[in-house]
Amino acid sequence: GQNIDQPTEMTATEGAIVQINCTYQTSGFNGLFWYQQHAGEAPTFLSYNVLDGLEEKGRFSSFLSRSKGYSYLLLKELQMKDSASYLCAVRDENTGTASKLTFGTGTRLQVTL
Amino acid sequence: ETGVTQSPTHLIKTRGQQVTLRCSSQSGHNTVSWYQQALGQGPQFIFQYYREEENGRGNFPPRFSGLQFPNYSSELNVNALELDDSALYLCASRGVNYGYTFGSGTRLTVV
Repeated sequence: GQNIDQPTEMTATEGAIVQINCTYQTSGFNGLFWYQQHAGEAPTFLSYNVLDGLEEKGRFSSFLSRSKGYSYLLLKELQMKDSASYLCAVRDENTGTASKLTFGTGTRLQVTL
Repeated sequence: ETGVTQSPTHLIKTRGQQVTLRCSSQSGHNTVSWYQQALGQGPQFIFQYYREEENGRGNFPPRFSGLQFPNYSSELNVNALELDDSALYLCASRGVNYGYTFGSGTRLTVV
């Protein structure tokens, strides 16, 4: 089975840096995804990690440690538009073409002035 | 490159009724998955289709069923609707790489 934990809510100030943590316990692992989801909208892809280390993409970075079952999403130079839910998801199977994403409950980030 | 489109965007049904939700996959994507997202929760995997065959299923009862068509569009059917089926239903298509593209979802309300 899969168990993915992330904080429910976080608040940060515009211009600041925030780190959203995600821990997972999975029976199989084939990559970790971060998605951003604004209220009532589709999740949009932010990052993908399958090997240990840091992946940087503009203001967003994501880190993975497979041995610790741990990832974080780092958001720099926060903007008001970054207020959204951030979903951590693990791909736990890749046997043939069957692969599903198991999501955490999401972290609701509120960016304030 | 076309995105993933879902219809309808919103739907209200009565308990016990049946509903069909539709998804048009992104061009070139032959794998489609359906997810249920309750308010304040992360999406939950319902099932996945590849080349018109179901090849993965989550913990959902048989009254949740699906179809994938030769053009890779897809349907999610739910029979005997229950109040707890009220949720956002998301379709995600996947191409030959690892990427998953989500549609904007269908908001289903069961009353």
